[in-house]
Amino acid sequence: ELKVEQNPLFLSMQEGKNYTIYCNYSTTSDRLYWYRQDPGKSLESLFVLLSNGAVKQEGRLMASLDTKARLSTLHITAAVHDLSATYFCAGWSMEYGNKLVFGAGTILRVKS
Amino acid sequence: DGGITQSPKYLFRKEGQNVTLSCEQNLNHDAMYWYRQDPGQGLRLIYYSQIVNDFQKGDIAEGYSVSREKKESFPLTVTSAQKNPTAFYLCASSIGPSTNYGYTFGSGTRLTVV
Repeated sequence: ELKVEQNPLFLSMQEGKNYTIYCNYSTTSDRLYWYRQDPGKSLESLFVLLSNGAVKQEGRLMASLDTKARLSTLHITAAVHDLSATYFCAGWSMEYGNKLVFGAGTILRVKS
Repeated sequence: DGGITQSPKYLFRKEGQNVTLSCEQNLNHDAMYWYRQDPGQGLRLIYYSQIVNDFQKGDIAEGYSVSREKKESFPLTVTSAQKNPTAFYLCASSIGPSTNYGYTFGSGTRLTVV
């Protein structure tokens, strides 16, 4: 069974600082996805990581995937208040019924 | 514009009542999914369907039922057997179960028991 764990679950940071959210998964995950959710809203796709060593960047966010370590990271550079949201990672494995398995989410609060 | 439409946005259910949440997509996606999200929690899979006229139970299917008679539609019924239905319900779809693009999510339905 594929299990996905995120840490930290809550992150409060100052504007302008850098930080990393970690996403560990338990068994082979062929792909890794990152989503953003604003309070009371739906999930918005941020990144899709399809292979070992994949790195994607959008603005102040950068995601990477290390399949050997079973680890994906979401790095935040020079945080701004608009990045405050909940971030989910999700793994996908053909062995686990062809559906995404989500982590618990990381609540990010960026303070001015 | 293509997308997923969930309705209603807010729904109130009385004790012992069945209610149905609508999910429609015009993305021509084969697979559709229902998730439940409790406050401050992650997403838990209720049911999913990878093809018309077929669906499977997810991790928390008890007290819920679905149908998939059309490719575009995947309604979720919350039955009276679901003792704690107050939550945010999200519907999602994907091109297929093996997707390079992940899921597209609807805007959600917030269900409250009154």
